[in-house]
Amino acid sequence: EVQLVESGGDSVQTGGSLRLSCVASGFSFSGNWMHWVRQVPGKGMVWVSRVNSDGRSTNYADSVKGRFTISRDNAKSTLYLQMNSLRAEDTAVYYCARETPGTGFSEYWGQGTLVTVSS
Amino acid sequence: SHVLTQPPSVSVAPGQTASLTCGGSIVGSKSVHWYQQKPGQAPVLVVFDDSDRPSGIPERFSGSNSGKTATLTISRVEAGDEADYYCQVWDTDDDQWLFGGGTKLTV
Repeated sequence: EVQLVESGGDSVQTGGSLRLSCVASGFSFSGNWMHWVRQVPGKGMVWVSRVNSDGRSTNYADSVKGRFTISRDNAKSTLYLQMNSLRAEDTAVYYCARETPGTGFSEYWGQGTLVTVSS
Repeated sequence: SHVLTQPPSVSVAPGQTASLTCGGSIVGSKSVHWYQQKPGQAPVLVVFDDSDRPSGIPERFSGSNSGKTATLTISRVEAGDEADYYCQVWDTDDDQWLFGGGTKLTV
């Protein structure tokens, strides 16, 4: 059974940092691209970032570029999102999602972890 | 940058057909994917590549894509279909996913 379990969400002050993790199981983690997608409670989904299978290629939404860093440890089947210089508008539930390379969609999502940024 | 436009809400009676649209200039040239999301839950893929269904998704869910509008059609709507539905495309030019704003389906 494919499972994605996020953790690391917390309440943090504006300007602070946080690292999210997503532990994968039930599939070949190293063979898949991985994404972070966020959702303000009650609002729509917004794509945040993507990393390719070996971690060498990444991309980010303009709203987080330069502040967030996506990475992965294939030996640990774990995806990360390092979030720095956090803003109130980063408050959201963060989901990790798996993409079979090049398909452009995700059939498997985690349950999400809540990040709250306040002053 | 491209935008995907979805109507905020659609209401349909049980047993009827719901048509949820997703518009945008990028739609006609890209594959469109659809997700169902119920309150407090993760998204569930219901249609991919415009019209394909993942295993386990009822045949009542179907999709189409023509011109600048993609449509998710839910036939014989049931109370359990009540949820938010999001369309999504992979903008390969900018190498990022785009989501529509979502449509709340009320049954």
